[in-house]
Amino acid sequence: EAGVAQSPRYKIIEKRQSVAFWCNPISGHATLYWYQQILGQGPKLLIQFQNNGVVDDSQLPKDRFSAERLKGVDSTLKIQPAKLEDSAVYLCASSFREGAYEQYFGPGTRLTVT
Amino acid sequence: DAKTTQPPSMDCAEGRAANLPCNHSTISGNEYVYWYRQIHSQGPQYIIHGLKNNETNEMASLIITEDRKSSTLILPHATLRDTAVYYCIVRGGGSQLIWGAGTKLIIKP
Repeated sequence: EAGVAQSPRYKIIEKRQSVAFWCNPISGHATLYWYQQILGQGPKLLIQFQNNGVVDDSQLPKDRFSAERLKGVDSTLKIQPAKLEDSAVYLCASSFREGAYEQYFGPGTRLTVT
Repeated sequence: DAKTTQPPSMDCAEGRAANLPCNHSTISGNEYVYWYRQIHSQGPQYIIHGLKNNETNEMASLIITEDRKSSTLILPHATLRDTAVYYCIVRGGGSQLIWGAGTKLIIKP
């Protein structure tokens, strides 16, 4: 079974530029998560989708971050404009259903904002 | 904020059992204890979870105290590939996982 795919793996941008990350979850997984992981910390949930609807985006900085999950499959997370403090690894995860005990994580995208 | 407390780092000799402690003194009756690990430059990986009974799978064993205020993850025969950050997470129902900083486990040859 193919795992969660993410691209790109690495991205370097200057502050005030925009960037987009892509995630393809495991086939058949209804729930998709985007996490932000700052160096030395655990992941922090940014947004959770159930199919193509948003379940929880309470920690998403909506003035600069946006996310969508078209057709309940792939998802894109965008930052516009980026700030220095957005430097982090952005992890995508999926699970079979909301509340499932196991979330499957992709390798992440390491973003550096200079 | 995370509802768990873990030591920031631990060492273990290769081939020995690695015992990782976790305190969750404010755990509620319907909250489960989850363990994930994150190997360097990879996404986190689910290990095991439990409510109140001890649990075992092919990766590890989870021992939860009777009062449920603490637990221990046991890797029975640690290998170098078990070097990772281990996260203990308390979660109820369909609520989100709230991650702390975890324990960095280093397996030494």
